[in-house]
Amino acid sequence: GDSVTQMEGPVTLSEEAFLTINCTYTATGYPSLFWYVQYPGEGLQLLLKATKADDKGSNKGFEATYRKETTSFHLEKGSVQVSDSAVYFCALKMNSGGYQKVTFGTGTKLQVIP
Amino acid sequence: EAQVTQNPRYLITVTGKKLTVTCSQNMNHEYMSWYRQDPGLGLRQIYYSMNVEVTDKGDVPEGYKVSRKEKRNFPLILESPSPNQTSLYFCASSLSPGRSNTEAFFGQGTRLTVV
Repeated sequence: GDSVTQMEGPVTLSEEAFLTINCTYTATGYPSLFWYVQYPGEGLQLLLKATKADDKGSNKGFEATYRKETTSFHLEKGSVQVSDSAVYFCALKMNSGGYQKVTFGTGTKLQVIP
Repeated sequence: EAQVTQNPRYLITVTGKKLTVTCSQNMNHEYMSWYRQDPGLGLRQIYYSMNVEVTDKGDVPEGYKVSRKEKRNFPLILESPSPNQTSLYFCASSLSPGRSNTEAFFGQGTRLTVV
């Protein structure tokens, strides 16, 4: 079946450091790919998405490129802030006979220290 | 404001006492689903609904029930809660089931503890 693998956390960075959170996927077709962010005590909210190969999603300084050849969707940010501390989930969505199947990774906790 | 509202946010209950967690969305979305979030396991889908009166099991449906009598509401029912259902629960909604590029909107979560 479909699956998403994220790098294990937690990830601890100093403010202004470069961030990469790896995400790879396996899917039988051509999924849409998403990054969701969960701030402490809150639900998940969409951070960015890409719907086809070579698309780049970007938002709030975060970027991720849909790489079909490596089945990856790594999340990057050039300079993290303390306010970026959260849990980040990579996810894919496939259509299966009209049913939206969303598969999430296990989440990566990011802690940014001043 | 577009939102998914869950209630309650926090709940402590005893084994075997039936409970319902409500979920309501104001975006006229067809598709709604319930997830549970557990450490090291990420989010796992419990049940989903493609439209009114259309529901189906997700990956971990045992011990749960749902109903979809109205488009905006999708309650999660635990008929006889057990301690292994202690978890953080999220309701989500999104547009038409046939569109894979649409995002899901999540509620703020319900922290359930069963003792």
